[in-house]
Amino acid sequence: GAGVSQSPRYKVAKRGQDVALRCDPISGHVSLFWYQQALGQGPEFLTYFQNEAQLDKSGLPSDRFFAERPEGSVSTLKIQRTQQEDSAVYLCASSLATGHDTDTQYFGPGTRLTVL
Amino acid sequence: AQKVTQAQTEISVVEKEDVTLDCVYETRDTTYYLFWYKQPPSGELVFLIRRNSFDEQNEISGRYSWNFQKSTSSFNFTITASQVVDSAVYFCALGSYQKVTFGTGTKLQVIP
Repeated sequence: GAGVSQSPRYKVAKRGQDVALRCDPISGHVSLFWYQQALGQGPEFLTYFQNEAQLDKSGLPSDRFFAERPEGSVSTLKIQRTQQEDSAVYLCASSLATGHDTDTQYFGPGTRLTVL
Repeated sequence: AQKVTQAQTEISVVEKEDVTLDCVYETRDTTYYLFWYKQPPSGELVFLIRRNSFDEQNEISGRYSWNFQKSTSSFNFTITASQVVDSAVYFCALGSYQKVTFGTGTKLQVIP
């Protein structure tokens, strides 16, 4: 079956523009995660959905960042009024997890965002 | 707070050498999960292994092996007879209640 897909793969934005990044999880995966990976660093947690419910958004760096998963499948990460410090790779992951146990997360290829 | 430390930033080995990547973690949770992921130059994170905190058995999968020692909060990863295709950044990660914390990664370069 298909893995996690993300689009676009690359996005260049001018400072101040809004961007929307899309994630299609593995079919049947209940949980969906967004991470931000700066150059030379490990992925950092942004937010987590179980079905359509956003259960944890503690990692979102500012109120310019907003994520949604309205039908419990595809998710969109939106960044408003982009800043240069938002430049990073945004990774999406999905898992079967529904309980407390941390299930294996499978990652998409990421979207590389460059803010000029 | 959870923390994962990968003290080795970069390692270079000659092909066919064995190499061990170190991982030390901190958590107050009694139930947690440990992971290793590989990130090749293409950029996609590839899952390698998941272990829970109650299972301290070492695991071997082909040329890969993992040594989990709860007493020292370590979960080290060894590649035996390294190959050029093993060149990548390797991340150790700690998960609890679905939230996963990653280390900063170890870049492994295998020289032919």
